[in-house]
Amino acid sequence: EVKLVESGGGLVQPGGSLRLSCAASGFTFRSSDFHWVRHSTAKGLEWVSSIGTSGNTYYAGSVKGRFTISREDVKNSLYLQMNSLTAGDTAVYYCSRGGDIGFDYWGQGTLVTVSS
Amino acid sequence: QSVPTQPPSASGTPGQRVTISCSGRSSNIGNNDIYWYRHLPGAAPKLLIYRDNQRPSGVPDRFSGSKSGTSASLAISGLRSEDEADYYCAVWDNSLNAWVFGGGTKLTVL
Repeated sequence: EVKLVESGGGLVQPGGSLRLSCAASGFTFRSSDFHWVRHSTAKGLEWVSSIGTSGNTYYAGSVKGRFTISREDVKNSLYLQMNSLTAGDTAVYYCSRGGDIGFDYWGQGTLVTVSS
Repeated sequence: QSVPTQPPSASGTPGQRVTISCSGRSSNIGNNDIYWYRHLPGAAPKLLIYRDNQRPSGVPDRFSGSKSGTSASLAISGLRSEDEADYYCAVWDNSLNAWVFGGGTKLTVL
């Protein structure tokens, strides 16, 4: 069974940092692309970042230069380092597997709240 | 960042057929595959349609997708109360080098 479990969310002050993790199981991690997608009531679903099997990375314009996506294949884990956080980054963050058919599996999400 | 345009809301009665549109541009829908997702806030999004009109295993054939030019549509036939959710289109944008999601459509079953 494919499972993706996010962790690391929480309350952080504006300007602060947070590192999200996504633990994967039930499939060959190193053969898959991965994505971070966030959801807020104001903006709906919003793509944040992607990483390919060779480590190539892509970022939404709103997070470029502040967020860093990475992967650790030996640990079947995906990460998102988030710096210089603002209120606009408040959202539930989902990790998703990128398969041949799109973002085919999603985790349950982790809530990030940026507030003083 | 330019996103595909979806109507903010749609509605129908049980048994009806409803369609949700997604309008984009040549840099995204016009040249790339469109995907559709269902989302209930607080739950994991679910893939409904991939490559414009293909259904993953387990998705009922009540759900169908189509595309023409720079616009796409999701159709839901035989509407059920459990279809109430938010629906999003998503596509890769060649100009932005980024995935873009539509603004989402909230479907209400009356």
